[in-house]
This record gives sequence, C-alpha cells and structure tokens, in this order.
Amino acid sequence: KQEVTQIPAALSVPEGENLVLNCSFTDSAIYNLQWFRQDPGKGLTSLLLIQSSQREQTSGRLNASLDKSSGRSTLYIAASQPGDSATYLCAVRLDSNTGKLIFGQGTTLQVKP
Amino acid sequence: DGGITQSPKYLFRKEGQNVTLSCEQNLNHDAMYWYRQDPGQGLRLIYYSQIVNDFQKGDIAEGYSVSREKKESFPLTVTSAQKNPTAFYLCASNSLAHFSNQPQHFGDGTRLSIL
Repeated sequence: KQEVTQIPAALSVPEGENLVLNCSFTDSAIYNLQWFRQDPGKGLTSLLLIQSSQREQTSGRLNASLDKSSGRSTLYIAASQPGDSATYLCAVRLDSNTGKLIFGQGTTLQVKP
Repeated sequence: DGGITQSPKYLFRKEGQNVTLSCEQNLNHDAMYWYRQDPGQGLRLIYYSQIVNDFQKGDIAEGYSVSREKKESFPLTVTSAQKNPTAFYLCASNSLAHFSNQPQHFGDGTRLSIL
C-alpha cells in the first residue's frame, strides 16, 4: 500500500532564507507527483506537477524534484517571503485511469519577517 | 471565473441527523472527488466519480453517500452512521482529457462540526 510521508511537520525560518521541503513515498510505481499549497481554512492550490518521467519542474521561486527510484521528492523555495507561510502538501497519483491521489500529512511553514 | 463552489462554509450536525454538503463546478470537468481532512493530517479520499451516474468508493467511504446526477454537481451526504464526522471536507475535480497533465482543482471546503 502506497504511503506518503512529509518531514518535517512544521518549519519556521527567517525571511530571505532558501529552504527545502521533503516528501517520500513507499512505492516507486507512481504516475505523477503534485505539490499543493493550503492556506488556513482554505482549499488546496496546485503549485507544481511532475510526471513520472520528469526529474524536476520550476515555477518562479519554486523548484520541485523527483527521484522515483529512491521514492523522494523535494520542494525548494528560494528567497522565502512571509507570504509563503502556509501548509505544503505533496500527493502521488498511482495510475492513468483515475485521478486518485495519496496525500502526505503536510509541512506547515512559517516565514518570519 | 471558472471554479469549484462548496457550500455551506460551516455546518453543524445534530446526533442522528443526515447532512448534505454541496459541490458545484463550472470547469466542465468529468471527474469529481470528495476528501476529508482532519487536523494536522493529509487528505483522505471518500468517494470519486468519473462520469455522470457512476461513482466509486475511496478509502473511507463508510458512513457517507454521494450522487452524480449532473456533470457539474457532486453532493456528499454525511449519514448518522458516520460516528466521527467532525472534519474539513474538500471537493475537487479534474478533466479526463489530457489527464496526466492536469492537477486537481479544489473548492474552499466545508467545516462540519457536531452540536
């Protein structure tokens, strides 16, 4: 059974710092991996989607990498800002037939001014 | 603007009562999903539907029911059989076309509590 784990559960950094969020999964047979952002009391906003055949995706200050063989993905945030404070969730999709996602527990990030 | 609308934002349930959460999308997406989120936890799949008049159980379907009579609507009923319904409920959708390139879109959620 696929399990997704995110470490750490919470992270606090000063503004301007570069940081890395980690996501690991137990079964390397994934279809894609997605990173989402969730603000308190809100739904999820998609940040980056990496296909199983890709190694990384970039959007602005965000870069996500994928190493299927080791069951790991990282989300790199450059020059963090207070507006980046939120919970970040990763999710893996197992197959092409359904859109079912398996989520990690999330990492709650606080960027202090 | 296209998106997913969930209502109500807050809902309270009495013992023995069934309640229904609404989810409407105007993105013309084929697939719709219901997730449950507990504090400090990730999302767990309750039900999903890939086409009108068809739906499948997710990992935690017991105590819940759904219907998909229209493409744009996927209501979730939390029945009295669900003994621990207090949670944040999220509805999502995506297109089946170019499936692999499309992330799921989410509504803003409904927070359900027991009175």
